[in-house]
Amino acid sequence: AQSVAQPEDQVNVAEGNPLTVKCTYSVSGNPYLFWYVQYPNRGLQFLLKYITGDNLVKGSYGFEAEFNKSQTSFHLKKPSALVSDSALYFCAVRDGYNFNKFYFGSGTKLNVKP
Amino acid sequence: DGGITQSPKYLFRKEGQNVTLSCEQNLNHDAMYWYRQDPGQGLRLIYYSQIVNDFQKGDIAEGYSVSREKKESFPLTVTSAQKNPTAFYLCASSTGTSGRNEQFFGPGTRLTVL
Repeated sequence: AQSVAQPEDQVNVAEGNPLTVKCTYSVSGNPYLFWYVQYPNRGLQFLLKYITGDNLVKGSYGFEAEFNKSQTSFHLKKPSALVSDSALYFCAVRDGYNFNKFYFGSGTKLNVKP
Repeated sequence: DGGITQSPKYLFRKEGQNVTLSCEQNLNHDAMYWYRQDPGQGLRLIYYSQIVNDFQKGDIAEGYSVSREKKESFPLTVTSAQKNPTAFYLCASSTGTSGRNEQFFGPGTRLTVL
């Protein structure tokens, strides 16, 4: 069965410090992995994706993510957090057999304090 | 929110009433999706459609219905059979079926049952 776990409901970090938002997955077939960000009362915005190739994926707003096949993880990272990065972050995996289905984690609230 | 519009932004419904949420996209995407978002639970798939005049049930389709008469439109009806309809509803679209493509999301509709 396909699933995504985001083990932390909330991550707190000081502005200027590096941040990591964790994601682990379970999928049949090739893993197609995505990160999205959601601001209050808004839709989700795409940040980055891993399809194949380099394990370090770079995306929007300075975010990057590291794919680790042996640990089945896809952690989101940023070298220097901004207050404006405060939002809800979702990891998602595409069903390996039915590409029309995505599975989302429960979300991690990132708080960046000045 | 990338070429997908949802209306209304807020919707109030009395118990026993059916309501229809609108979703329109101008991205020429073939696939469209409806998700329900509840606090702490991430996104759950209600229905999806790969092409016009075809749609499939997602994980929580009971109490909901959809239609796909036009490529750009995918309205969702929340029926009186849905026991707990108060939630944030998100529409999304995607192009292609190769697994590589991310979803684009609308701004959402917040439904409250009075």
